[in-house]
Amino acid sequence: DSGVTQTPKHLITATGQRVTLRCSPRSGDLSVYWYQQSLDQGLQFLIQYYNGEERAKGNILERFSAQQFPDLHSELNLSSLELGDSALYFCASSAPATGGGYNSPLHFGNGTRLTVT
Amino acid sequence: QKEVEQDPGPLSVPEGAIVSLNCTYSNSAFQYFMWYRQYSRKGPELLMYTYSSGNKEDGRFTAQVDKSSKYISLFIRDSQPSDSATYLCAMSRGPGGGNKLTFGTGTQLKVEL
Repeated sequence: DSGVTQTPKHLITATGQRVTLRCSPRSGDLSVYWYQQSLDQGLQFLIQYYNGEERAKGNILERFSAQQFPDLHSELNLSSLELGDSALYFCASSAPATGGGYNSPLHFGNGTRLTVT
Repeated sequence: QKEVEQDPGPLSVPEGAIVSLNCTYSNSAFQYFMWYRQYSRKGPELLMYTYSSGNKEDGRFTAQVDKSSKYISLFIRDSQPSDSATYLCAMSRGPGGGNKLTFGTGTQLKVEL
């Protein structure tokens, strides 16, 4: 168990709808990352938050948004859903980097499987 | 061309075999290299984490990084059926580049009894 908790595990919804995915990072981790995994694209970085602030953005659609709350949990909001948004959405967290800028490894949750019908 | 290339397999080996998994990359800015294992319907699980070139060993697993060739490898000794999973390489840039990971597409491994 990585310590990263994602809810819900499964989500089935219709095109045009909006959903919210939730992530609780490991205790002590300040960074939260969202990734999308589809069969044809593999794991794609969406967005990163650090201690409540957006730190980096990847291939995230304008229909998608995220935020990190003061208690460090994060939510990924997906709106105007399309069939192509069906995928696994993973959240990961990492500890603050140690001195010298050594990056901390990412630890992943078990994901939310989104099916858009 | 993708930044990180990984043979998708599937790779099938007998129990006890030595497994070699590889990735090549094109971005010379990558300095941190990882291997993740992903079982079906689960999240990626960190196996190995290395910085820059060299070898790192942890139990039956050895990670190698050759930055001059832009080539990384994961060796699994005495492979077990429980090693059957998809193995993902991942890498990130150093300070200033953030901690964003770029993944390979994964190699599916099956260890047969």
